[in-house]
Amino acid sequence: DAGVIQSPRHEVTEMGQEVTLRCKPISGHNSLFWYRQTMMRGLELLIYFNNNVPIDDSGMPEDRFSAKMPNASFSTLKIQPSEPRDSAVYFCASSTGGIRGNQPQHFGDGTRLSIL
Amino acid sequence: EDKVVQSPLSLVVHEGDTVTLNCSYEVTNFRSLLWYKQEKKAPTFLFMLTSSGIEKKSGRLSSILDKKELFSILNITATQTGDSAVYLCAANFGNEKLTFGTGTRLTIIP
Repeated sequence: DAGVIQSPRHEVTEMGQEVTLRCKPISGHNSLFWYRQTMMRGLELLIYFNNNVPIDDSGMPEDRFSAKMPNASFSTLKIQPSEPRDSAVYFCASSTGGIRGNQPQHFGDGTRLSIL
Repeated sequence: EDKVVQSPLSLVVHEGDTVTLNCSYEVTNFRSLLWYKQEKKAPTFLFMLTSSGIEKKSGRLSSILDKKELFSILNITATQTGDSAVYLCAANFGNEKLTFGTGTRLTIIP
């Protein structure tokens, strides 16, 4: 079975440009999570959706970040305008959990983002 | 604030050795504890623990949870070079959010 699919795998862009990261969750999973991983801060949850509805976006660093989930098989994380401090690996994960939680999350391979 | 602390930060051992990785957590609304292995790309799921004292085992890896003392351990016996990775511990403190520790970097020397 296909796992969580993220694109692009790598993105290098200049400061100020808009960046869009994409994620396709595992079929049948109803929860989707966006994480950011850096050496300094480790793995941090940015936002998560349940049944396409954003449940908790308290980890989104600032208004430059936005996320959408228009349907059960697709989500985007957008940064506009991008800054060098946004450079990190961004992971998407999905699970079969709901509001009751307690299901393991399965991760995609990540997008390595470099902002010059 | 919910917190997960892992130790040691890094560990270097020889192939064939047994290692124990530690994870402690705060108590607020604790639901479950998860272990992941991260090599070069995605964290891959190893175990989820919800009950105290019940060991979960997969091959040479095993893990157990102590809800009284608020910690978990991950054991790897007869280590191999393929076990070299960062091992992440995460706790579910209610709803679906996971709080991750900073990880233990394990290096196995042939």
